[in-house]
Amino acid sequence: DAGVIQSPRHEVTEMGQEVTLRCKPISGHNSLFWYRQTMMRGLELLIYFNNNVPIDDSGMPEDRFSAKMPNASFSTLKIQPSEPRDSAVYFCASSGFRRGLASNLEQFFGPGTRLTVL
Amino acid sequence: GNSVTQMEGPVTLSEEAFLTINCTYTATGYPSLFWYVQYPGEGLQLLLKATKADDKGSNKGFEATYRKETTSFHLEKGSVQVSDSAVYFCALTPPAGNKLTFGGGTRVLVKP
Repeated sequence: DAGVIQSPRHEVTEMGQEVTLRCKPISGHNSLFWYRQTMMRGLELLIYFNNNVPIDDSGMPEDRFSAKMPNASFSTLKIQPSEPRDSAVYFCASSGFRRGLASNLEQFFGPGTRLTVL
Repeated sequence: GNSVTQMEGPVTLSEEAFLTINCTYTATGYPSLFWYVQYPGEGLQLLLKATKADDKGSNKGFEATYRKETTSFHLEKGSVQVSDSAVYFCALTPPAGNKLTFGGGTRVLVKP
């Protein structure tokens, strides 16, 4: 099992540029989560999807951030335009989910994308 | 809303010492409780979990007991190794939901 795959692993860009982060969840999982981790704010949930539908995007910091999940095996997180304060490690995670059952399903995290905006 | 509070680090220990990381939570009903571990340069991995009161989760020598009366889920290990150096996150999900709420993380450094 390949686990959650994220690309790129490292991204260095200049302020104002568009950045696209990619995630392939574990096959068969139907929930996908995007997190951001910084020293100052810790681990923050940005958005999550169930069955490719965005359920909660209240953590998305502003309109510069957008996320899509066109199918069950792929998601993107886009930042446009990027700013230096967006520098962070971005994690994608996936899990199984079935409505009505106790929420004890493990989230599996990818290795993260380290983004640096100069 | 839901929240998780865990002790701030860093916690510095010698090898074979006893480790405790305190975690308390605020949530309605009976959430599921988790400890995740993050090794340097990696993503988070589930360490252990408990889904109902008085459950004990255990893995790799670590243990935590779901205490509803004190709304706590403290992590313990009797004899730490250098390889246990990592950041540990306490987290919860609400009943019938799958959104994790994390604590701030506790960095643990084990010295030889």
